[in-house]
Amino acid sequence: DIVLTQSPDSLAVSLGERATINCKSSQTVFHFTKRKNFLSWYQHKPGQPPRLLISWASTRESGVPDRFSGSGSGTHFTLTISSLQAEDVAIYFCQQYDSTPPTFGGGTKVEIK
Amino acid sequence: EVQLVESGGGWVQTGGSLRLSCAASGFTFSNYDMHWVRQVTGNRLEWVSGTGTSGDSYYSDSVRGRFTASRDNANNSLYLQMSSLTAGDTAQYYCVRASSGTYLMDVWGKGTTVTVSS
Repeated sequence: DIVLTQSPDSLAVSLGERATINCKSSQTVFHFTKRKNFLSWYQHKPGQPPRLLISWASTRESGVPDRFSGSGSGTHFTLTISSLQAEDVAIYFCQQYDSTPPTFGGGTKVEIK
Repeated sequence: EVQLVESGGGWVQTGGSLRLSCAASGFTFSNYDMHWVRQVTGNRLEWVSGTGTSGDSYYSDSVRGRFTASRDNANNSLYLQMSSLTAGDTAQYYCVRASSGTYLMDVWGKGTTVTVSS
């Protein structure tokens, strides 16, 4: 199974500042024939279903604010919130969908400093 | 509005059985693969099973032989029959839609809680 390791486990950022979350994969999730990274990011707030933010490592979903961005390729990926807002307090997960079973990172809790 | 609503969770004794249901609305259910994903203690997410559009199902190693997933396309519903339950199956269970032909999970339900204890 592909293991996804997220860091940090939690971080506290001041409103308006940048938050950066890392996701490292034990194997590449770059699909050579499709030329895409099979890596997504989710936001999970208490009492709500997880929300897909980013697919294919860097494609923002419809309706997701442009302060959220994804980058990286192969085995190292990053989710960046460029200017943290109060409504961004949540747990963020990465997921690989390149191979069976699909697997998730351990999550990063983002709070306001 | 695209929506997934799970039901059927609850408390069950070790070794017991439980059946979860997921009602889908707002999209053409029969066109999508559907999955069950659970969130265990510590917020860790674990894929449980997937069911293709024609009803073929596949499972994680931890539940294979104990859980059976199925779907009813006429009624826009997904099911998970769970048996021989252990404390390790205690989790929040999510019904999830996957983007066509991939494990990209684009719509999630709010989940239903399963607690297994003696």
